[in-house]
Amino acid sequence: NAGVTQTPKFRILKIGQSMTLQCTQDMNHNYMYWYRQDPGMGLKLIYYSVGAGITDKGEVPNGYNVSRSTTEDFPLRLELAAPSQTSVYFCASTHGSNQPQHFGDGTRLSIL
Amino acid sequence: KQEVTQIPAALSVPEGENLVLNCSFTDSAIYNLQWFRQDPGKGLTSLLLIQSSQREQTSGRLNASLDKSSGRSTLYIAASQPGDSATYLCATVAGNMLTFGGGTRLMVKP
Repeated sequence: NAGVTQTPKFRILKIGQSMTLQCTQDMNHNYMYWYRQDPGMGLKLIYYSVGAGITDKGEVPNGYNVSRSTTEDFPLRLELAAPSQTSVYFCASTHGSNQPQHFGDGTRLSIL
Repeated sequence: KQEVTQIPAALSVPEGENLVLNCSFTDSAIYNLQWFRQDPGKGLTSLLLIQSSQREQTSGRLNASLDKSSGRSTLYIAASQPGDSATYLCATVAGNMLTFGGGTRLMVKP
């Protein structure tokens, strides 16, 4: 049972570089989410998707982009990395908003 | 804008104690409230989900209650064990969005 898989697990970027955080789920969930978690804090929603081809902004979308071309995949892209984007990024999925969310193990990103 | 607060931020108890973790929220217009567990370096694991029409949910030694009118939820852990040591987060759900509290870091000492 793979569940939600995130890659890479760790990454160090230089300011101004770009990268894509990958997220895939094998549970046929329509709803997928990207969160960031700063030290000692709760999670903040970056973007979410309710199905293939549909994405919407969360609480902290600036500096990020997403796409949802398939049900399984929901990549998160950072175009111009900034130190403020140093964080742990979590991807999650669920059947619906009244169902529990399933989380990946996270990507730890440092921008120097 | 929904704000979710968890008190205390950290808690240390001896093994065997019953304990209560608190979660408060400012907007009662929620679909449900979820409690999660997070182990160091890991993602979140869903523990309990309470629908807005429900008052409580139970799973094993865990019991979560919800009082929408007062904007409060509690997570009760019975007979705590060292394996319960983790960070516990609550989150309200409205529309398609979850709003998380900052978490309570629990340490259960043998």
